[in-house]
Amino acid sequence: KQEVTQIPAALSVPEGENLVLNCSFTDSAIYNLQWFRQDPGKGLTSLLLIQSSQREQTSGRLNASLDKSSGRSTLYIAASQPGDSATYLCAVRLIGSQGNLIFGKGTKLSVKP
Amino acid sequence: DGGITQSPKYLFRKEGQNVTLSCEQNLNHDAMYWYRQDPGQGLRLIYYSQIVNDFQKGDIAEGYSVSREKKESFPLTVTSAQKNPTAFYLCASSAPGQAPNEQFFGPGTRLTVL
Repeated sequence: KQEVTQIPAALSVPEGENLVLNCSFTDSAIYNLQWFRQDPGKGLTSLLLIQSSQREQTSGRLNASLDKSSGRSTLYIAASQPGDSATYLCAVRLIGSQGNLIFGKGTKLSVKP
Repeated sequence: DGGITQSPKYLFRKEGQNVTLSCEQNLNHDAMYWYRQDPGQGLRLIYYSQIVNDFQKGDIAEGYSVSREKKESFPLTVTSAQKNPTAFYLCASSAPGQAPNEQFFGPGTRLTVL
């Protein structure tokens, strides 16, 4: 059974710092991996999607990488800002699934001014 | 604007009541999903539908029911058989046959049992 783990569960950094959020998964037979942002009491906002054939995706200050062989993905946030404070979730879609995602529990990020 | 809407934002249920959560999308997506989110836990799949008039159970379907009569709509009913329904419910949609098959989410409904 696929399990998705995110470490750390919480992270607090000063403004301006570069940071890395980690996501690991146990089954490498994934179709894609998606990173989301969730603000308190809100829905999920899609940040980046990496197809299984890709190594990384970039959007602005965000860069996500994927290493299927080791079952890992990282989300790199450059020059963090207080507005980046949120919970970040990663989710995988398995090959052969009906499109449903398997989620990690998230990393709660706090960026201090 | 294209997107997913969920209503109501907050819902209160008395013991023994059935309640229905609404989910509508105008993204022309074939697939729709319902997830449940509890504090400290990841999202868990309740039901999903790949096409109109068809749906499948997810990991935690007991005590829930759905219908998919229209492409745009996928309502979720929380029945009295669901023993612990207090949670945050999220609806999502995607276009499975089209790369990159990104999944998009609505704003959620918070259900509280009184």
